[in-house]
Amino acid sequence: SQTIHQWPATLVQPVGSPLSLECTVEGTSNPNLYWYRQAAGRGLQLLFYSVGIGQISSEVPQNLSASRPQDRQFILSSKKLLLSDSGFYLCAWRTGKFEAFFGQGTRLTVV
Amino acid sequence: LAKTTQPISMDSYEGQEVNITCSHNNIATNDYITWYQQFPSQGPRFIIQGYKTKVTNEVASLFIPADRKSSTLSLPRVSLSDTAVYYCLVGDNRAGTALIFGKGTTLSVSS
Repeated sequence: SQTIHQWPATLVQPVGSPLSLECTVEGTSNPNLYWYRQAAGRGLQLLFYSVGIGQISSEVPQNLSASRPQDRQFILSSKKLLLSDSGFYLCAWRTGKFEAFFGQGTRLTVV
Repeated sequence: LAKTTQPISMDSYEGQEVNITCSHNNIATNDYITWYQQFPSQGPRFIIQGYKTKVTNEVASLFIPADRKSSTLSLPRVSLSDTAVYYCLVGDNRAGTALIFGKGTTLSVSS
C-alpha cells in the first residue's frame, strides 16, 4: 500500500534561519507531488507541485523553493525564514485519479 | 480547475442530515467533482467523487444535477466527529494538474 512520510512534525526556527522539509512517498511510482501551507484559521494554499524529477511548478512567488531530486522525494526549502512563513505545511501525492493523499503535516513556528 | 463557491460555514445538531452545496458554473466536460474533509491539524481526506447524477459511499452521498453547474454533499445523521472543513474541488482527473483548494465550508456540529 502507498504511504507518505513527512517530517518533522513540529519545528521552531528563528527568523533568518534556513528551512528544509522533506516528504517521501512509498508504494507508488511517478506520483504528482504537492506542497501546501495553511496559516492559522486560513485555507490551504498551494505552494509548489511537481509532475516528475526536477520539474517544479510554483503557484505563489515567495520566500520558499522546492526540489524533487528523486521520483518519490519532495523537499521544501528556504534560505532565510520570515515570520510570515509560519504555518502548517502539508505534502500530498496523487497519480492519475483526482484523489490526493496527504501527509501528517509540519507545524512551523518562526520566532 | 473550475472556480467553486461554497458557504463559509454551517451549523448543525447531532443526528441531522447536512447538505453542503457547491457552485461551479464553468465546469468543463472532462471535469469531476471531488469533496475532501479536513480536521484541525490534519491534512484533507478524500470523501467522495462524482461526474453526474448520484454517488453514494459509506461516508456520504453526492448529488449532481444534469447541468452539473452545482453539486451537493450530503452527510446523513451527523455526529460531533463530523465537525470539520469540507472542500469542493472541480477538475479533470488527469495527472499533472494543480490541485487548488478553496476556502471550504466549516461545519460545526453541536449536541
